[in-house]
Amino acid sequence: AQSVTQPDIHITVSEGASLELRCNYSYGATPYLFWYVQSPGQGLQLLLKYFSGDTLVQGIKGFEAEFKRSQSSFNLRKPSVHWSDAAEYFCAVGARGNTPLVFGKGTRLSVIA
Amino acid sequence: DGGITQSPKYLFRKEGQNVTLSCEQNLNHDAMYWYRQDPGQGLRLIYYSQIVNDFQKGDIAEGYSVSREKKESFPLTVTSAQKNPTAFYLCASNKQGYGYTFGSGTRLTVV
Repeated sequence: AQSVTQPDIHITVSEGASLELRCNYSYGATPYLFWYVQSPGQGLQLLLKYFSGDTLVQGIKGFEAEFKRSQSSFNLRKPSVHWSDAAEYFCAVGARGNTPLVFGKGTRLSVIA
Repeated sequence: DGGITQSPKYLFRKEGQNVTLSCEQNLNHDAMYWYRQDPGQGLRLIYYSQIVNDFQKGDIAEGYSVSREKKESFPLTVTSAQKNPTAFYLCASNKQGYGYTFGSGTRLTVV
């Protein structure tokens, strides 16, 4: 069965520090991988996606993620966090076509001065 | 600009009532989805539709119903059979290869 694990429920980082959010997936086929961000009471916004090709993908707001097939991971990174990055982050996995995405339970990011 | 509109933003339901959540998109996307979000639970799939007049149950379909009579619209009805409906409901649409576009959500509360 398909599944996504985000091991960290809550992470706190200082503004200006680097960030890495972990995501591990279990998927039978070649996965399509996504990272979304959600502000309180809002919908989800797509940060970046990986379908194929270069395993390091760039997204919006200075985020990047690296696909590592051998580790079944798709970790999200940012070199310098801003206070406005405080939000909840969701990793998701899917397949080609319109089959539904499977989401992790999310990681809440807090940013302190 | 194209997007997904969910309404209402807040909805209150009395015990035993059916309520309908609206989801409309003008992105010309074929597929649409309903997810339920509870604190600490991530997003759980309720129903999805890949084409007009066809839809499939997700992981937690009991107590919910949907219709897809138009490409643009995918309303969700929360029936009285759903015993714990208080949650945040998210609608999304998808065009193959692009990833989901989400609406801004409806918060449903039982009173």
